[in-house]
Amino acid sequence: KAGVTQTPRYLIKTRGQQVTLSCSPISGHRSVSWYQQTPGQGLQFLFEYFSETQRNKGNFPGRFSGRQFSNSRSEMNVSTLELGDSALYLCASSHSTGLEQYFGPGTRLTVT
Amino acid sequence: QKEVEQNSGPLSVPEGAIASLNCTYSDRGSQSFFWYRQYSGKSPELIMFIYSNGDKEDGRFTAQLNKASQYVSLLIRDSQPSDSATYLCAVNGDNQGGKLIFGQGTELSVKP
Repeated sequence: KAGVTQTPRYLIKTRGQQVTLSCSPISGHRSVSWYQQTPGQGLQFLFEYFSETQRNKGNFPGRFSGRQFSNSRSEMNVSTLELGDSALYLCASSHSTGLEQYFGPGTRLTVT
Repeated sequence: QKEVEQNSGPLSVPEGAIASLNCTYSDRGSQSFFWYRQYSGKSPELIMFIYSNGDKEDGRFTAQLNKASQYVSLLIRDSQPSDSATYLCAVNGDNQGGKLIFGQGTELSVKP
């Protein structure tokens, strides 16, 4: 069974721009969670989508948003990028409980 | 107070020894606990999960949970150099669906 895929793998953007990241979950998984990983803050939860609805949300500003499509694929968007948004963005998929999560390879975002 | 705490390490053990990784959590309502392994430059990989008090064994790995003490640990028997990685403890709060709260991780180094 194919794993979680994320595109693009690397991205360089300029402050003020916006970016959209994509995540395709493991086949049959309906929950997709997004995380931000930085050396200083570690892995921090952004939000989770299940059945096209946001089921959980972390403590990130409204510039961070997401959505999920009927095939469970998910996207996250960051608007008005700031230097501090430079990070590894990881998505993870799981069955309906959202518990045992399997991570994709991540998207490395650099904001200059 | 951090919600999930781990010793940052590095923890160094000789090849063949038992590595013991510890984690404490603050939310007494937490029900589900996970251990992830992350190699440098890679995404986290789920290696163990435990939901009930006691021990759970899977190959060379044993997860131990004590909800009364709010403590979860991971033992790696017969440690190998390939086990050298950062180990992340994650906790899922009660009724929080796909939201995992991660500790900062413990870096393990297994010396040949």
